[in-house]
Order: sequence, then C-alpha cells, then structure tokens
Amino acid sequence: EAQVTQNPRYLITVTGKKLTVTCSQNMNHEYMSWYRQDPGLGLRQIYYSMNVEVTDKGDVPEGYKVSRKEKRNFPLILESPSPNQTSLYFCASTTYYRGNNEQFFGPGTRLTVL
Amino acid sequence: SQQGEEDPQALSIQEGENATMNCSYKTSINNLQWYRQNSGRGLVHLILIRSNEREKHSGRLRVTLDTSKKSSSLLITASRAADTASYFCATALLRRSGGSNYKLTFGKGTLLTVNP
Repeated sequence: EAQVTQNPRYLITVTGKKLTVTCSQNMNHEYMSWYRQDPGLGLRQIYYSMNVEVTDKGDVPEGYKVSRKEKRNFPLILESPSPNQTSLYFCASTTYYRGNNEQFFGPGTRLTVL
Repeated sequence: SQQGEEDPQALSIQEGENATMNCSYKTSINNLQWYRQNSGRGLVHLILIRSNEREKHSGRLRVTLDTSKKSSSLLITASRAADTASYFCATALLRRSGGSNYKLTFGKGTLLTVNP
C-alpha cells in the first residue's frame, strides 16, 4: 500500500531534550516536505527536499533540522525543543513526474513540549 | 501573508444539501489543489485544477477556477455526514523558473459540518 508513515504519532517531551520525528514513504517520490499545523494559522512549511542530499528552508525553519540521506526517509530533528514548537506535524511527499504535484500526507505527529 | 484564503471559515448544512467553499489567492499560480482533513488526521488530496483549466469534476466534487479573479470554488453535491471535515485549498507556484520546484501554500481551511 502506497503511504507516508510518521513516528511517533504522539510525543510529550520537555524543553531542551533533542528529538527526531521520522518520516518514510514507499512511493519513490523525489520531493518530501514537513509542515506544522497550528490553530488559526493553517499549515506552514518547515523544510522541504527536492531529492537525496538536497534540502531547503520553508516558511518556518527556525529551531528545526532535516536530512535526506535516502530517498525514502526525511527525518525532522528538533535539537532543543521549546514550548512554541508544540504543534501537529505532517510529513508529505510527491513526485513531479507528469507535472502533477499533489502531495501525499502522513498521519501526523502531535508534539507537546513542556 | 496567506496565499490562499478559504471562505467561509465554517459551514453547517443538512445531509443532501450542496456545500460550496471558496478560495481566494493573491499571485499567479501554476495550479490549485483542494485537500480534505478529518479531525486531527493527515490531509487527503481531492482534486487539482491547472491554471489553464476553468472547471473540473470528480465524483460529487466540482471545482472551478477563475484566474482573472484569483479565486476558486469547491462544490460538494448531495452531501453526506461522512463529508464532515476541514477543506483546504492550496496554491502551487514555481519557486524558480525552468524547474520543478513548486511551493504549495495552504489556506486556513473551511470546517464543513454535515448534519444527518
């Protein structure tokens, strides 16, 4: 089954404790992206990756890191989480083949930073 | 500033009625997409309409695009309780010409409630 998976789905942590949210897709998509969703603000892009070893900042990259060592994986790293990073996070992937770029989303990771 | 803005923010209708949601945007786009999100879950792509298209259908969904007014509408006909969800429009814009690096910018969504 074609899908984007994220782990963990729920995480409660404390300020300053490094964490990684994993994202994996099995559709051989070149493009992967991380979003955060906050009430009243909609979805905002954190980072994206056009392909392996190619990453770039989105609209709200501060406090986050990413890596793209393999095509299927795109982990999101919070080196020193702060309470303002409490949010619902989504990973998404797409391919630009045939000019379509509809995105496939993971189920989300709800992060609480105390 | 937000590229896509949905209107209304919330819509409540009875089962069987049609639901219309609107999206306005500010800049030229390559395409516009509509997504659906059930509470707290991932977004699901519904339909994509390119900038040179004016109308598109998919099942009970009808999307229109008016590039002169920079607006789009999503019509759900014969709504069902299972259509209850948030609906987002997203505009796709090339970051740099000559490539495939699109920026997809989401609006804040319309919360649709379909009462049985």
